[in-house]
Amino acid sequence: LAKTTQPISMDSYEGQEVNITCSHNNIATNDYITWYQQFPSQGPRFIIQGYKTKVTNEVASLFIPADRKSSTLSLPRVSLSDTAVYYCLVGYSGGYQKVTFGTGTKLQVIP
Amino acid sequence: DGGITQSPKYLFRKEGQNVTLSCEQNLNHDAMYWYRQDPGQGLRLIYYSQIVNDFQKGDIAEGYSVSREKKESFPLTVTSAQKNPTAFYLCASSSFLGPQNIQYFGAGTRLSVL
Repeated sequence: LAKTTQPISMDSYEGQEVNITCSHNNIATNDYITWYQQFPSQGPRFIIQGYKTKVTNEVASLFIPADRKSSTLSLPRVSLSDTAVYYCLVGYSGGYQKVTFGTGTKLQVIP
Repeated sequence: DGGITQSPKYLFRKEGQNVTLSCEQNLNHDAMYWYRQDPGQGLRLIYYSQIVNDFQKGDIAEGYSVSREKKESFPLTVTSAQKNPTAFYLCASSSFLGPQNIQYFGAGTRLSVL
């Protein structure tokens, strides 16, 4: 399983763009990168998934460089409701995958 | 309304008691998972099941048991052997179809010891 490293916490003001970087130096060829968001006392929620280059959906963008040893989750113009813990996971997406949720990055959005 | 339903939302266990947490999904997913989350920590895998009548231990299975008699259901029993059961328990499911193996989570059950 690829080990991931991400900052423990980040603060941002409302309206700013937030970038959370995840390092995964031993990512395997078949591994995908997936990000989840978790609010207090709720289950994690899928945000975005990618394999290479850039992926964008209505919530976020995911940037993955050519060597795939890191990835950056970008949240445009955050609001107070984006205050949550964000988890970066790396694993094979074909069939069952045992993934490891680390401690994630706690994002605090400040008014 | 498709999704994962966990019940109860709050549960209290007395000393020496076994308690069972319910998890039901109507997403027609093959795989189901149980995680434990302690305050300020990430999720740790307790058990997972890829198919009916089959399940595997995760990283912290001691003191827990599961069954998978139906595709839709994956109950977790916290036995009296689990000496520190107070935590937030999350159930998830995923489908093997397609390139994505995204896990969908329930709302969780918070277990406390009386």
